[in-house]
Amino acid sequence: AQSVTQLGSHVSVSEGALVLLRCNYSSSVPPYLFWYVQYPNQGLQLLLKYTSAATLVKGINGFEAEFKKSETSFHLTKPSAHMSDAAEYFCAASGNYKLTFGKGTLLTVNP
Amino acid sequence: EAGVAQSPRYKIIEKRQSVAFWCNPISGHATLYWYQQILGQGPKLLIQFQNNGVVDDSQLPKDRFSAERLKGVDSTLKIQPAKLEDSAVYLCASSLAADLYEQYFGPGTRLTVT
Repeated sequence: AQSVTQLGSHVSVSEGALVLLRCNYSSSVPPYLFWYVQYPNQGLQLLLKYTSAATLVKGINGFEAEFKKSETSFHLTKPSAHMSDAAEYFCAASGNYKLTFGKGTLLTVNP
Repeated sequence: EAGVAQSPRYKIIEKRQSVAFWCNPISGHATLYWYQQILGQGPKLLIQFQNNGVVDDSQLPKDRFSAERLKGVDSTLKIQPAKLEDSAVYLCASSLAADLYEQYFGPGTRLTVT
């Protein structure tokens, strides 16, 4: 069964600093991969997705992620953090017509 | 385009009571999902519908949880009787088709069982 691991349940960065959120998946066959963001008291919003086209995927709000098959990774990055990026981020992988989510990483941005 | 609608947004009940949540997916979306999100965890799939048929309910506690999607549009998730450990956010999501995987989420219903 597919599993998704997000390293670091909490990441704290300063405003303007690089954001790096880590995600690894388990399947030997590369799945479709997603990053979602969840703001307090809201549902999940799709940031970006990898569907076996370009390995570097650009999403909304300046985020991007790179698919690395050799490392079974799909890490999320943003060059410069904004206060508005503070939220919880979830990585998800496809399999058997459903998504498996990681446990999430809470991003805090310090002024 | 209207998003996924859910109601109520918040619900507080006592243990052993029953509760129901409603979801209206994006128009034209054939696949509907109910997730349970416990504080500090990622969403866990409870049940997946394709039109009005159940595709996957392997993680649905069927002794107390039930769900239906009549006419292949909106859906209801029910818990009867509720337990303390059912306190969570219940998220509904929909997608155009299951094999596209891109899911759109509603705002969720926060359930507190006391």
